[in-house]
Amino acid sequence: GNSVTQMEGPVTLSEEAFLTINCTYTATGYPSLFWYVQYPGEGLQLLLKATKADDKGSNKGFEATYRKETTSFHLEKGSVQVSDSAVYFCALRNPSYGNNRLAFGKGNQVVVIP
Amino acid sequence: DGGITQSPKYLFRKEGQNVTLSCEQNLNHDAMYWYRQDPGQGLRLIYYSQIVNDFQKGDIAEGYSVSREKKESFPLTVTSAQKNPTAFYLCASSMGGRENTEAFFGQGTRLTVV
Repeated sequence: GNSVTQMEGPVTLSEEAFLTINCTYTATGYPSLFWYVQYPGEGLQLLLKATKADDKGSNKGFEATYRKETTSFHLEKGSVQVSDSAVYFCALRNPSYGNNRLAFGKGNQVVVIP
Repeated sequence: DGGITQSPKYLFRKEGQNVTLSCEQNLNHDAMYWYRQDPGQGLRLIYYSQIVNDFQKGDIAEGYSVSREKKESFPLTVTSAQKNPTAFYLCASSMGGRENTEAFFGQGTRLTVV
């Protein structure tokens, strides 16, 4: 089946530091991959996406590249701000294989300290 | 503006009562989903519907029921059979079929059993 694995534990870092959140997936074929962000007390918002191998999604300074060879979609940002503090979820969708469900990782809490 | 609306934002329920959470979308999406979010557990799929008058159980359907009588609406009922209903509930919608597109989320309903 389809599944997503995110690195364990919260991420705490200082303002202007470099952020990486790891995401790996298991799926048949070529799923679409997504990063969502959730601010406190709110729903999820799409941050970026990639629909085929080697695609790079980018938005608000965040980037992630769809790596088929390593089945990964790691999220990066070169210089974080306090306003980036949120929970980040990696997800995939694979409708070409009869499964239209979104599969989510467990999420990573990111705390940016001034 | 197109979007997905959940109501109410906060809901309190006495033990033994059924409650219904509302989810409405005007995005003309075929597929709709209900997720439950608990701290440290990410998002878990309760039910999903790929088309009107059809829905499937997700990973944690016990104690919940849904209906999909209209394309725009996908209400979730939390029944008294659900042993631990206190959680944050998120509704989402997406295009159906083989479209590898993202899901859009509502702002969530926080249910508390008192």
